[in-house]
Amino acid sequence: EAAVTQSPRNKVTVTGGNVTLSCRQTNSHNYMYWYRQDTGHGLRLIHYSYGAGNLQIGDVPDGYKATRTTQEDFFLLLELASPSQTSLYFCASSERQGNTEVFFGKGTRLTVV
Amino acid sequence: GDSVTQKEGLVTLTEGLPVMLNCTYQTIYSNAFLFWYVHYLNESPRLLLKSSTDNKRTEHQGFHATLHKSSSSFHLQKSSAQLSDSALYYCALSDLPNTGKLTFGDGTVLTVKP
Repeated sequence: EAAVTQSPRNKVTVTGGNVTLSCRQTNSHNYMYWYRQDTGHGLRLIHYSYGAGNLQIGDVPDGYKATRTTQEDFFLLLELASPSQTSLYFCASSERQGNTEVFFGKGTRLTVV
Repeated sequence: GDSVTQKEGLVTLTEGLPVMLNCTYQTIYSNAFLFWYVHYLNESPRLLLKSSTDNKRTEHQGFHATLHKSSSSFHLQKSSAQLSDSALYYCALSDLPNTGKLTFGDGTVLTVKP
């Protein structure tokens, strides 16, 4: 079964702080995604990638950067964290895009105070 | 752009009653894929059902859904709710043959009570 591991699982930072969320998948999937989950807004795509060195902009990219260093590793960077970025963040991966299952990690709860 | 509407944010049922969670969508692509994902508390969201075939019933783990392109709907149903069905359910749309990106609805929290 697909394994997507996120770290840290919980993070508290101050407004203006610098945060990096990490994600590793061990199934040789081409696509990796970062979503945020907020009550009343569902899962919203921040950034995604279809391979090492590739980055695609999602639906809510403002305030976020991402980098795919290897096929396994995808990072989400918040360089000037704001309270509006307090959320539950999910990393996910899939073999292809559009008609295959997306496998999610367990999430990182980020609080910006 | 594409959109998915789940009109109920919260559904509360008594165990044993039927479940129906609504999902409607908008897309310009005639062969889009529709999905239901389930998210149990403290676990990862995972795929429950998917379909791209018009008027064909898809079943998994006691749940079923039928894609109706004429009404742009993909409602999730189960004949008898169980306490263990309590979770957050997401309907999602893929915009194939465009990017294949998934658009999720806002989600429906299903709470099943004894």
